[in-house]
Amino acid sequence: AQTVTQSQPEMSVQEAETVTLSCTYDTSENNYYLFWYKQPPSRQMILVIRQEAYKQQNATENRFSVNFQKAAKSFSLKISDSQLGDTAMYFCASPYGNKLVFGAGTILRVKS
Amino acid sequence: EPEVTQTPSHQVTQMGQEVILRCVPISNHLYFYWYRQILGQKVEFLVSFYNNEISEKSEIFDDQFSVERPDGSNFTLKIRSTKLEDSAMYFCASASDPKPEAFFGQGTRLTVV
Repeated sequence: AQTVTQSQPEMSVQEAETVTLSCTYDTSENNYYLFWYKQPPSRQMILVIRQEAYKQQNATENRFSVNFQKAAKSFSLKISDSQLGDTAMYFCASPYGNKLVFGAGTILRVKS
Repeated sequence: EPEVTQTPSHQVTQMGQEVILRCVPISNHLYFYWYRQILGQKVEFLVSFYNNEISEKSEIFDDQFSVERPDGSNFTLKIRSTKLEDSAMYFCASASDPKPEAFFGQGTRLTVV
């Protein structure tokens, strides 16, 4: 069965600091995307960043970047210059067939 | 920017009642999904829908659940006889191709009392 593992249930970071959320996945797909979603207290699912597996270059979106290690099936999210508004649950997601499989999530708290 | 719209944002229903959760996917998308998130737990796949039929469903999606695209724009999830354990956040998503780069709606919080 497809699995996505987020080993950090909760993390804290000081405002303006950098934090890295880890994710490992297991897929038999050859060409796929990987995703990080942010879920603030409103519980809306917001796409933060996506990585195309056939691209070696790590994706970057402003303060968010990934460290994608395809051989290790690792897909971590780095948040630079953390802001209070980054406080949320973060989910890593990997495709399995035509659906997404989500990790259990990491609660990130940004402290002032 | 196009977005997936879900209504209502919050629905409270009595156990045993039928509920219909509504979604308007992004207009040129062809693949539609429902996911569920019980409070404090991970997001779980329920069902995918393409070409007017279910393409895949999970074990959660039993006979109490059905989906429909009644008019070419809306995509609905019906729960025939709600149970307490159906209380969750329900997310609709749509995508333009089979790679599930899905765009999620804001969710409907269903509370069964």
